[in-house]
Amino acid sequence: GAGVSQSPSNKVTEKGKDVELRCDPISGHTALYWYRQSLGQGLEFLIYFQGNSAPDKSGLPSDRFSAERTGGSVSTLTIQRTQQEDSAVYLCASSLMGGAGETQYFGPGTRLLVL
Amino acid sequence: GENVEQHPSTLSVQEGDSAVIKCTYSDSASNYFPWYKQELGKGPQLIIDIRSNVGEKKDQRIAVTLNKTAKHFSLHITETQPEDSAVYFCAFAGGTSYGKLTFGQGTILTVHP
Repeated sequence: GAGVSQSPSNKVTEKGKDVELRCDPISGHTALYWYRQSLGQGLEFLIYFQGNSAPDKSGLPSDRFSAERTGGSVSTLTIQRTQQEDSAVYLCASSLMGGAGETQYFGPGTRLLVL
Repeated sequence: GENVEQHPSTLSVQEGDSAVIKCTYSDSASNYFPWYKQELGKGPQLIIDIRSNVGEKKDQRIAVTLNKTAKHFSLHITETQPEDSAVYFCAFAGGTSYGKLTFGQGTILTVHP
């Protein structure tokens, strides 16, 4: 079946502009995660959605970052007033229920470059 | 906070040799330890995982070992092939982190033909 998809695959923007990144999880997966991967670094947790529960936003680096998940499926990560340090690959993952020990399936990522 | 140290950062081997990557974690309540492989331009892909009630797990040429007392776990790749060349990440979850994964810094593995 279809895996996790993300769009756009690449995004170049100017400092100060807002960007929206989209994630389509695997159908039926109730848990969705956003991670950020800076150049040459590991993945850094940003936010977690599970069903209708309040999301865990503890990883968001600043109030310029926000995310929503509509209808328990598609998620959008929004970065307002982008800064050069926001340049990174933004990865989305989904899992069936969100528990520890569940396999997380990753999308291909969105490569964001802020000029 | 929770963290994991991954070593080495780069590893170069000849085809057919073995490769070992080690991670040390901080959260003693962790109970899930996956390894991901990331090829250039792609998202990470799970290659093997282990849970805290098991000390070792094998899948063909890949194995993972877990030492909960020392809080470290290792990835072993035997009979390496050029297509094993990629970046490998360890991670852990559990305790108070539910499904959230904490990742190591990654190891760039290069297998020379």
